[in-house]
This record gives sequence, C-alpha cells and structure tokens, in this order.
Amino acid sequence: GENVEQHPSTLSVQEGDSAVIKCTYSDSASNYFPWYKQELGKGPQLIIDIRSNVGEKKDQRIAVTLNKTAKHFSLHITETQPEDSAVYFCAASPKSGGYNKLIFGAGTRLAVHP
Amino acid sequence: DGGITQSPKYLFRKEGQNVTLSCEQNLNHDAMYWYRQDPGQGLRLIYYSQIVNDFQKGDIAEGYSVSREKKESFPLTVTSAQKNPTAFYLCASSLPGLAGLGEQFFGPGTRLTVL
Repeated sequence: GENVEQHPSTLSVQEGDSAVIKCTYSDSASNYFPWYKQELGKGPQLIIDIRSNVGEKKDQRIAVTLNKTAKHFSLHITETQPEDSAVYFCAASPKSGGYNKLIFGAGTRLAVHP
Repeated sequence: DGGITQSPKYLFRKEGQNVTLSCEQNLNHDAMYWYRQDPGQGLRLIYYSQIVNDFQKGDIAEGYSVSREKKESFPLTVTSAQKNPTAFYLCASSLPGLAGLGEQFFGPGTRLTVL
C-alpha cells in the first residue's frame, strides 16, 4: 500500500540554525504534499503545502521542495527559534486513494535550543 | 468563530465498553476524517466521509464505526472489538477543491484511555 517515510525522527538544533526534514513517498502519482506542525496535546496545524506541479514554495522562514523523479520532498526551516520546537509531520495524497485522503509520515520531533 | 470541536478532551472507559467520540465543525466543509495517533507512528486514517450519508474505511477501520447524518457532525464509536483502543484521536475536515484534496483542519483531539 501507500507509504510515506520521514527522517529524522528527532532533530536538535541551536537557535538560529537551519533545520531540514525529509520525506519519501511510494505512489508516484501523489499530487499534494502538506506539512503539519503539532504542539504538545494539540491537533496538527498546516504550515505549508505544495502541489505536484510546483518544485518549490517558500513562506518567510519555511520552504518546501519537491523532487517528483526521486519521490521525495523536504521541509526547510531557516533561522530557527525556540517556538519552532514541536513535532512536524509530512503527508502525501496518493492517486490510489482517489486523492481523497492523506498518508502521514511518522513525524519528526524538533528541538530548538536557545 | 469557526473551527472543529472534539469532546471530551480526556475520556476513560473500562475494557469491553463501547464509547463514542464527538466531532463537530462549523466550517461548512464537505469532507471529514478520523485519525488515530500513537507515539512514534504518526497519524493513521480510521474512516473518512466526503459527503453526508456516505463514508469509507481508512487503513485501520477494524473495531471502529462512524455515521454522517449531518454535514457538521462525524461521531466515531470505538467498539469493544478494537483490541488496543487507548490512543489520541483526531478529527479533521476539509473542503476539497478542483485540484483535489485541500487543507485539512484538525480538532484539538480526544485522549482515550481504556482501563
């Protein structure tokens, strides 16, 4: 079945450094790739997303890149701040699901140290 | 103030009892979803509904049931057949666009503990 792998599972950086989280997906026809941030005890919130007809998207300190040939996409956070500390999830919307559902990665726990 | 509400935030039940988790949205979204979250495993899809009176099984539907009688409500019942029901349950909704799936908005979650 469809699968999304996410690495690393934990990431620790110093404030001001960059953080990169990578995901690979199995269904080459997937067309939508969102990234969610989840704080402790809360529901995930969308931080950025990208569709399959775009290679890169940026929103202030956050950017996402998509490589359809390699079937992977990455989240880049620059100038990290302590409030960026959270669990981040990538997801993909596969054609095999009729593009009506998301398959999530296992998550990356990011810790930004002052 | 639009959004998704889930109640209760914490729920305790004895083993063998059925329990229903509430999910309500006032975003006028057509699609609604239920996910289960366990430590280190991300979110796994239990059931989803794209329209009233219709729903589909997700990847881990066994031991769960849902109904979609109203657009704004999508309750999830965890039955006694679910072997390991203790988890954090998340409800989401979305407004599918012409390009396919759109942003999913999540509720605050319900943490179910079966004793």
